[in-house]
Amino acid sequence: NAGVTQTPKFQVLKTGQSMTLQCAQDMNHEYMSWYRQDPGMGLRLIHYSVGAGITDQGEVPNGYNVSRSTTEDFPLRLLSAAPSQTSVYFCASSRTGTGLDTEAFFGQGTRLTVV
Amino acid sequence: GEDVEQSLFLSVREGDSSVINCTYTDSSSTYLYWYKQEPGAGLQLLTYIFSNMDMKQDQRLTVLLNKKDKHLSLRIADTQTGDSAIYFCAESIRQLTFGSGTQLTVLP
Repeated sequence: NAGVTQTPKFQVLKTGQSMTLQCAQDMNHEYMSWYRQDPGMGLRLIHYSVGAGITDQGEVPNGYNVSRSTTEDFPLRLLSAAPSQTSVYFCASSRTGTGLDTEAFFGQGTRLTVV
Repeated sequence: GEDVEQSLFLSVREGDSSVINCTYTDSSSTYLYWYKQEPGAGLQLLTYIFSNMDMKQDQRLTVLLNKKDKHLSLRIADTQTGDSAIYFCAESIRQLTFGSGTQLTVLP
């Protein structure tokens, strides 16, 4: 029962570096999303995907890219890391985006520090 | 627009009831959710309520919904130390929108 798997768990980047946060799910869910969690601000949606080949922006998309070439994988790319991107990142998947099936399953999170 | 608000902190004594409150602004929300986040972990769905319901009970958890005031609450009866976590309410219209989370601390 893997569920949603995120790697890495921890990462330190220097300003300007790029990296990819990996997310994979084995539940055949159509809907996947990336959130960032900052103290006192809850979870804010970065990007989401309603199926392979389809992605869209969430509330805070700037500085991040995504792609969805398969149902299982939804990587998040930081193009040029900035200290403002220091956060905990969560990937989530669900059968659909709305309605009761919106029960979202979350990965364990990636704690990213940009120095 | 979509906006979900919660108070940030709540402390209770073990054995007491906890009540976590949430307000939302979008009256078209169909489902409202409570998620729990334990330290170092992702979020897990705790319970949900459909918008045409006033109350839902699930063992120690009671969810109350006041649609007129757009107010949602989660009551945990007989709160235990294992209930210490961050609790998020969320609404779902196009995507899940989360509140800021309430850090529940259970004191012995």
